[in-house]
Amino acid sequence: QVQLVESGGGVVQPGRSPRLSCVASGFTVSRHAMHWVRQAPGKGLEWVAYVSYDGSKTYYADSVKGRFTISRDNSRNTLYLQMNSLRADDTAVYYCSAAAGFSSKFDYWGQGTLVTVSS
Amino acid sequence: SYVLTQPPSVSVAPGQTASISCGGSNIGSRSVHWYQQKPGQAPVLVVYEDSDRPSGIPERFSGSNSGNTATLTINRVEAGDEADYYCQVSDGSSDHWVFGGGTKLTVL
Repeated sequence: QVQLVESGGGVVQPGRSPRLSCVASGFTVSRHAMHWVRQAPGKGLEWVAYVSYDGSKTYYADSVKGRFTISRDNSRNTLYLQMNSLRADDTAVYYCSAAAGFSSKFDYWGQGTLVTVSS
Repeated sequence: SYVLTQPPSVSVAPGQTASISCGGSNIGSRSVHWYQQKPGQAPVLVVYEDSDRPSGIPERFSGSNSGNTATLTINRVEAGDEADYYCQVSDGSSDHWVFGGGTKLTVL
């Protein structure tokens, strides 16, 4: 069955640079675009970043552009989010999500990893 | 950037019909997707491309989209439908993906 498993979350000091990972299985990862979506405590969903199926295209929300970098390694079925210059308002559960082909919807979701930015 | 507006909350009695709106400028020209999120869980796609259902989603869930409003309709509401619901579109002009603010469905 489809599985997306995120890791790399935890308590992080402001300004530090953690990297989140998401290992995918149960579907043809190389045919899916991938996203990161986050949810601050008690708040709604916020799209963060997109990477195309082959890694050639990336897009970012204005709130993270220039600080976060999304990438993927299809040989390892793994998605990454490099987070730099973290701020308190980056505190959230970070979900990875897969989108089939050129679909605009989020077909599959992981269970999320919590990143808490605190000194 | 494109904005989607949802009511913060909707309440409905069991067995009745719940309607959750999602407003956006000329949203009828876009494909709208809907997600259900229960506390402590990841979102689940319940309606895609305005009105289609993924496999495993009950027929009680349906959607429509016209003009400036998309609507998620849940017929014969059950206690297990209590959750937050989010609408979502992609904004090709900005290469962004956009979520509505979410609607908390309470089953009375």
